[in-house]
Amino acid sequence: GESVGLHLPTLSVQEGDNSIINCAYSNSASDYFIWYKQESGKGPQFIIDIRSNMDKRQGQRVTVLLNKTVKHLSLQIAATQPGDSAVYFCAEMQRPGGYQKVTFGTGTKLQVIP
Amino acid sequence: DGGITQSPKYLFRKEGQNVTLSCEQNLNHDAMYWYRQDPGQGLRLIYYSQIVNDFQKGDIAEGYSVSREKKESFPLTVTSAQKNPTAFYLCASSGNTGYGQPQHFGDGTRLSIL
Repeated sequence: GESVGLHLPTLSVQEGDNSIINCAYSNSASDYFIWYKQESGKGPQFIIDIRSNMDKRQGQRVTVLLNKTVKHLSLQIAATQPGDSAVYFCAEMQRPGGYQKVTFGTGTKLQVIP
Repeated sequence: DGGITQSPKYLFRKEGQNVTLSCEQNLNHDAMYWYRQDPGQGLRLIYYSQIVNDFQKGDIAEGYSVSREKKESFPLTVTSAQKNPTAFYLCASSGNTGYGQPQHFGDGTRLSIL
C-alpha cells in the first residue's frame, strides 16, 4: 500500500519521455519472468511476461528485454504518462521438483513529472 | 468481471487475538497463494495451495494458518503466535494450464496492531 514505495530506488521521468526500469535476477535456472506494476494501496498488476527462449517481447507501450548472460531484465515504457507512476517489480520463476517457485524483486518507484 | 477479492481492506488486531483474512477468486484457478509485503522488501510467500484440500508452507509460514476447502476460497489466519503481523497481505492465484503462468493478485489487506 502506501508504504510499499518507501526506501525504494526512484526513477523520475518527464511526461512523454521513455522510461527504462532495470532488474537483476538471481537464479540462472529461472526460465520465466514477469513484470508487475503496483499502485499505492493496490495489489500488483501483471504487465508483461517473457520466457527464457526469447530476448525481447513487446506489448502495448511496453517492451521487456532479457539478457540471460548477465541475468538482467529491463522494462521499457514508451511515452510515459502520469498514470504510469507506480512501483514496478520483476519476478523470476523456476520449477524445482514440479513446483513453480517465484521470487519477487524489491521494486523501483517510477515518478512521472507532468 | 473475473478477479480476486480480498477482505477486509484494513484490519486491526489486538494482542493475543487471531484474525482471518479472506480471499475469494472466480478465475477458476487451481493454485492460490498468500504473500506478505513489507516496505522495501520483495513479496514473501506464506502459504500456497495447488489444489483443493492441499496446501504447503512457504518461506515464512510460522504464526500463520490456512485452509482450502473450496477451489474459490483460501483464507489466511494470522495467529497470536505471529509476533510481528503488521504488514500488507496479498492473495494471488494462477492457472494450471502448464508451467509459466503469471500470478494474479487481489488488492490486499493491511493488518495493523492495536
